[in-house]
Amino acid sequence: DIVMTQSQKFMSTSVGDRVSITCKASQNVRSAVVWYQQKPGQSPKALIYLASNRHTGVPDRFTGSGSGTDFTLTISNVQSEDLADYFCLQHWNYPYTFGGGTKLEMK
Amino acid sequence: QVQLLQSGPDLVRPGSSVKISCKASGYAFTNYWLGWIKQRPGHGLEWIGDIYPGSGNTYYNEKFKGKATLTADKSSGTAFMQLSGLTSEDSAVYFCARMSLYGMDYWGQGTSVTVSS
Repeated sequence: DIVMTQSQKFMSTSVGDRVSITCKASQNVRSAVVWYQQKPGQSPKALIYLASNRHTGVPDRFTGSGSGTDFTLTISNVQSEDLADYFCLQHWNYPYTFGGGTKLEMK
Repeated sequence: QVQLLQSGPDLVRPGSSVKISCKASGYAFTNYWLGWIKQRPGHGLEWIGDIYPGSGNTYYNEKFKGKATLTADKSSGTAFMQLSGLTSEDSAVYFCARMSLYGMDYWGQGTSVTVSS
């Protein structure tokens, strides 16, 4: 199975900051990566697909980059509503696998 | 708009089975794979498997073979996941999600399953 590693379980930030969340795949997954945001009691919301494409309606402060094994989700000008859990998903190979998640918290 | 509406929470006894439903609307149900995902606190998200309602073809995560059975009813646009031989390890929130070329793009609201005597 492909392991998706989000090494930072928690990240602290302030409103207006820029933060980068990383995800590393144990094998080459090309660009088959999705980034999700999940708030308490809600289902995950897709932010970025194919590593770098923003879903409709997602603010342009969310940017995805990377291919192969290393991927990054960058949030520029963090807003209070961005405090949430963020997960990556690889859908290149079965079984699809998720990163362990990064919780974005306010300093 | 695309919507996936899941059945309500379940409290079930150890050793029993439970069947969760996921009713799709707003898109061609038979033309997209539909996946199921498990989420437990401290265990992250796990992909269980997916089904192509148009043909009934399925793929399962090896870890969930024998535990989960995926089916779909084309006439009602509803997918189902049955979980059998339930233990406390199966207590979780289960999501269904539409699978496109761009990954799992739309998710249901989640169904909480609690296994307890």
